[in-house]
Amino acid sequence: QKEVEQNSGPLSVPEGAIASLNCTYSDRGSQSFFWYRQYSGKSPELIMFIYSNGDKEDGRFTAQLNKASQYVSLLIRDSQPSDSATYLCAVRHQAGTALIFGKGTTLSVSS
Amino acid sequence: GAVVSQHPSRVICKSGTSVKIECRSLDFQATTMFWYRQFPKQSLMLMATSNEGSKATYEQGVEKDKFLINHASLTLSTLTVTSAHPEDSSFYICSAGTGGIAALNTEAFFGQGTRLTVV
Repeated sequence: QKEVEQNSGPLSVPEGAIASLNCTYSDRGSQSFFWYRQYSGKSPELIMFIYSNGDKEDGRFTAQLNKASQYVSLLIRDSQPSDSATYLCAVRHQAGTALIFGKGTTLSVSS
Repeated sequence: GAVVSQHPSRVICKSGTSVKIECRSLDFQATTMFWYRQFPKQSLMLMATSNEGSKATYEQGVEKDKFLINHASLTLSTLTVTSAHPEDSSFYICSAGTGGIAALNTEAFFGQGTRLTVV
């Protein structure tokens, strides 16, 4: 069974700090990886996706992928209170298939 | 990014009635649509995969006769919750993709979600 694991948190960081969110997945054949942010009662919003080993940066966000370790992470630099949300890691096995989601990590950024 | 519109955003219905939720891709043709359900404090759980013009593929444990999915066109998929019960109360979210090899590395676009409450 394909699984995506995340620490549920909450992860608490002060404003301006770096928040580090982690995710592991069980299906070694997974090919693309997504990070979403979800505010309470709202639909997930895509932050970024990554499919190659290494780092991918977009503004304050950096996704890191290590396929050998089956590990993907998201770093949020200069964390803001508005970043407080649940962060969902999702994995896609192959083209055209659904995303498989982790349970999410709750992030709380205090001002 | 592409826009997926889901309607209604909230619905309250009586136990035993049916509710239809629509999911539309507004500016692209969605060959595949996915329906998820999310209970409070839980993650999104895939219910079914819907391909235009063919029968939906349901995940294990999801009753196909209770959750009717129709994907009659490349821009519209509907989910009908039949004979709804209070335990069906949840947040239902659709997602659409363009399909094909390019879809491997493209984002999946989500609708706004539908909060269903069965009383």
